Amino acid sequence: SQQGEEDPQALSIQEGENATMNCSYKTSINNLQWYRQNSGRGLVHLILIRSNEREKHSGRLRVTLDTSKKSSSLLITASRAADTASYFCATDVGDSWGKLQFGAGTQVVVTP
Amino acid sequence: GAGVSQSPSNKVTEKGKDVELRCDPISGHTALYWYRQSLGQGLEFLIYFQGNSAPDKSGLPSDRFSAERTGGSVSTLTIQRTQQEDSAVYLCASSLGAGYTEAFFGQGTRLTVV
Repeated sequence: SQQGEEDPQALSIQEGENATMNCSYKTSINNLQWYRQNSGRGLVHLILIRSNEREKHSGRLRVTLDTSKKSSSLLITASRAADTASYFCATDVGDSWGKLQFGAGTQVVVTP
Repeated sequence: GAGVSQSPSNKVTEKGKDVELRCDPISGHTALYWYRQSLGQGLEFLIYFQGNSAPDKSGLPSDRFSAERTGGSVSTLTIQRTQQEDSAVYLCASSLGAGYTEAFFGQGTRLTVV
């Protein structure tokens, strides 16, 4: 089964609104990353948060990490149509360095 | 090139044939990952390399799948006796070091087994 599970599976919002998606994982991690995949194939790295960090910002992105609850959230503020994509969390499992595992993703649609 | 390069971008093959998928990582990246993504699904971990060695091969779906990496650079994923369920996009990624740094992805190889 997946190490990371995103919630919700799909999200539809209007431009200007905020989008929040969550990621839960099962075992201890070294770090957690968020990626975006536009229609097509390549994934683009958005942000990395280490296990000893609680919050991180990058532009309109805000990521939180709660290791006690084994969960992370990604907030996209003031969304744009160009934010339409699938968003994945990925974890580097604590006892398996380098085995970067991805969740099933959240599909976000931003309508003008 | 500046990014991760995968070839071919598309491959249609007949059931039972062998295929080779190639990944050329970013120069200097020691870690290399292979994933498989079926339509509308998440990424299924297949294998990763640290240098030329593969610490974890547990994601390979069957013994028809194998991968190698030579010279700490190019990697080849081979699927023998392809089956229709092998149809998917195969993604390769590389990073400076296993796990700690962001992974850069190629555009993938779309494999269709007919």
